[in-house]
Amino acid sequence: DVKVTQSSRYLVKRTGEKVFLECVQDMDHENMFWYRQDPGLGLRLIYFSYDVKMKEKGDIPEGYSVSREKKERFSLILESASTNQTSMYLCASLKAGGEVETQYFGPGTRLLVL
Amino acid sequence: GQNIDQPTEMTATEGAIVQINCTYQTSGFNGLFWYQQHAGEAPTFLSYNVLDGLEEKGRFSSFLSRSKGYSYLLLKELQMKDSASYLCAVIDSNYQLIWGAGTKLIIKP
Repeated sequence: DVKVTQSSRYLVKRTGEKVFLECVQDMDHENMFWYRQDPGLGLRLIYFSYDVKMKEKGDIPEGYSVSREKKERFSLILESASTNQTSMYLCASLKAGGEVETQYFGPGTRLLVL
Repeated sequence: GQNIDQPTEMTATEGAIVQINCTYQTSGFNGLFWYQQHAGEAPTFLSYNVLDGLEEKGRFSSFLSRSKGYSYLLLKELQMKDSASYLCAVIDSNYQLIWGAGTKLIIKP
């Protein structure tokens, strides 16, 4: 079974703090994604990565950056957290190619910025 | 713009059947997913349709009509554990996943 883990389930930070959200997958997947999920808005893509050291902006990259130094790890960074970044953050992993492409999600990190 | 529409909330009775609809307008189409998400948890994969027709998987079935930009998820013999949000997502021509806001399904005894 694919396993995607995230460093924290719940996180409370103050405005202006730098926040690191870590995601690790153990299935050697090429593609990794960071989403945020807010009520009534569905999942919105922040950044994704197709390979080590590669990153692409999603729909809402502003206020975020990412790092992919190793294939199994994709980090989301909030340089200076703001209250509007309070949200549920979901990491996903996807194997390139194959008959059916599905994203495997981590358990999510619920971030509260005060 | 790209858009996926699903009802916000639906209510059904244990043991009954419920159909959750999804309509989409996207730049291209390379498949449609249904995911289940229990409150506070990550989405889990339910089904994938890329060709027109019905795909059946146990109590759950998913239907696709590409010409109509329409899909539905059919849940039979509803159980209390089926109470969850159901997310529709479409892969567009750039192979990006476009997500609907999800349908919250409430099951009553």
